[in-house]
Amino acid sequence: SQKIEQNSEALNIQEGKTATLTCNYTNYSPAYLQWYRQDPGRGPVFLLLIRENEKEKRKERLKVTFDTTLKQSLFHITASQPADSATYLCALSSGNTPLVFGKGTRLSVIA
Amino acid sequence: SAVISQKPSRDICQRGTSLTIQCQVDSQVTMMFWYRQQPGQSLTLIATANQGSEATYESGFVIDKFPISRPNLTFSTLTVSNMSPEDSSIYLCSVGEGATSNQPQHFGDGTRLSIL
Repeated sequence: SQKIEQNSEALNIQEGKTATLTCNYTNYSPAYLQWYRQDPGRGPVFLLLIRENEKEKRKERLKVTFDTTLKQSLFHITASQPADSATYLCALSSGNTPLVFGKGTRLSVIA
Repeated sequence: SAVISQKPSRDICQRGTSLTIQCQVDSQVTMMFWYRQQPGQSLTLIATANQGSEATYESGFVIDKFPISRPNLTFSTLTVSNMSPEDSSIYLCSVGEGATSNQPQHFGDGTRLSIL
């Protein structure tokens, strides 16, 4: 069955450093990969979408890569700030199949 | 992006009762979805709410337990029927930007449901 793994439940980093979150998948050939941010008590907020034929996508301090050979996506936040502390979810879809979410990684940026 | 309002934001219910959750969008959208998020777990899709026809349910979810209405392009309801403690969860609605599930989704803030 399809499986999505996000590298760790929690990640702590120092303010100003680059946070790197990992999303691995198995038994799946997604055409689209999305990243969302979720704050406590709130719904997920869409951040970035990358297609299978795109290697990299950037938006301000965010960068996403998508390696279909490794079956992996990396999500980077450069110059991280305490306000970046949240849970980050990756989600995959293919064709008209529903979006499937990973469990998320809780990022804490320490001042 | 669309603004999604979900009501109620939270509720505590007795087992055996039913609760209807409302989702209102500030613009017309094709795709509306209902998810469940249990503590420490990922979002699980319950169903896609189709305007003018029956919802499309995912494996493990049935219409008798989770009836859904979609009377127009801006509104949907999810009912959790005959509730048991296992139904305690956060229920979220979302809308898609386009006409397929591949496009970004925008979520309401969810309904936190506790069953006693």
